[in-house]
Order: sequence, then C-alpha cells, then structure tokens
Amino acid sequence: DAKTTQPPSMDCAEGRAANLPCNHSTISGNEYVYWYRQIHSQGPQYIIHGLKNNETNEMASLIITEDRKSSTLILPHATLRDTAVYYCTTLNSNSGYALNFGKGTSLLVTP
Amino acid sequence: SAVISQKPSRDICQRGTSLTIQCQVDSQVTMMFWYRQQPGQSLTLIATANQGSEATYESGFVIDKFPISRPNLTFSTLTVSNLSPEDSSIYLCSVEGEAGPNYGYTFGSGTRLTVV
Repeated sequence: DAKTTQPPSMDCAEGRAANLPCNHSTISGNEYVYWYRQIHSQGPQYIIHGLKNNETNEMASLIITEDRKSSTLILPHATLRDTAVYYCTTLNSNSGYALNFGKGTSLLVTP
Repeated sequence: SAVISQKPSRDICQRGTSLTIQCQVDSQVTMMFWYRQQPGQSLTLIATANQGSEATYESGFVIDKFPISRPNLTFSTLTVSNLSPEDSSIYLCSVEGEAGPNYGYTFGSGTRLTVV
C-alpha cells in the first residue's frame, strides 16, 4: 500500500487557482489516488480520484504524472469555503480497502 | 452516493463509562469502516466491519476496548469502553460507494467524544 506525502500547509488567494501536491512514489500500477477534504472536523468529503489519466469534475482537476509517483489537485478558482484540510489517499488492501489517510495539507484561502 | 446518519454527534462522558456510536446507512453496503481522529490529527482506521462476521481490527485497537456490531447491511455500532481522557476524539464511520471503492467513500458527520 502506497504512502502519501503532502506539505503540511498552503495559502491561496481567493479567486486564484490552488495547486495541492502529493507524493506517492511507492504507488503500485493498479492503485488509484483519491482526494478528500475535511472542513472543520466534519466527515471527509470526496473530491476526485484517478489512476493514470488526468481527471476533471465539477469540484477540481487531478493531474497525475506519467510515472504516477506524484499528483496535483487543482481547485481552479479557490473560494473562502475551500479552506479545509485536503487528503491525498490510497486504498489499504490489507484492511478491506479502507482509505489510508496521511497527514494532509491544511489549505487557507485568504480574501 | 450513500447517506449516513451517525449518532450521537457529540457527547461528554465520565471516565470508566462507555459510549456507543451508531451509524445508519440509507442503502445496503458490504463493508463499513470505523475511524478515530484525535485532536489535530489525521484519521486512523480502527476496524473494518463486514456483515455476518467479526470485525477486523487494526494494530493498536482491540475488540475489548472497541467492540463493533454489524447486525445487517445498513447498520453498525462502535462502542468505546472503559473511557479515559485519551479516548477524547472524533469517531467516524464510512462506507464505500454504491458502485464500489472507485466511486468514492461516504463518511458520517462524526461523533465528538470528550471524556472527563
């Protein structure tokens, strides 16, 4: 099971793009990368996931490097409500495919 | 995606007592997961609960302290027993997406436990 590494904190100005990096250099070929966020100790919220192709949905874009050792979550126009802790995760195949949370990145969006 | 109702949302308990947390899902799910989130920390998996079998516990978590029930495909409980202040945390349940894990997991809103 891959271990993920993220910067502990980042700032972003409101309206600008927030680019959150994640390192998962030990990821295996069939392991997806998932992104979740947690606002104010609520339950984590699913954002996006991907395997090898870049993905986009209504919330964000996910860019995965060709070697799959890292990825970047992009919030194209950050708002104050995007202030949260963002987790890059993989599945733990030894635990019934539970999500394997790292320490996450605390994103602060400023006016 | 599934909707989870988790109760209670918060509680303050005396040390030595127990708290039982309930998670009700609006659809049938095979696996349910219980997590603990200590203050300022990330989520740590406590156990995986599959209906019809005993829960599988992660290293550092034992059944006597965290008994889990999974009587059917829509419901589970986690009990935190013999409470001590170190058990003060947020406890969350989670289920995989209706089409499997590759379609996102849903989390309950959490139970904030304070032990005094």
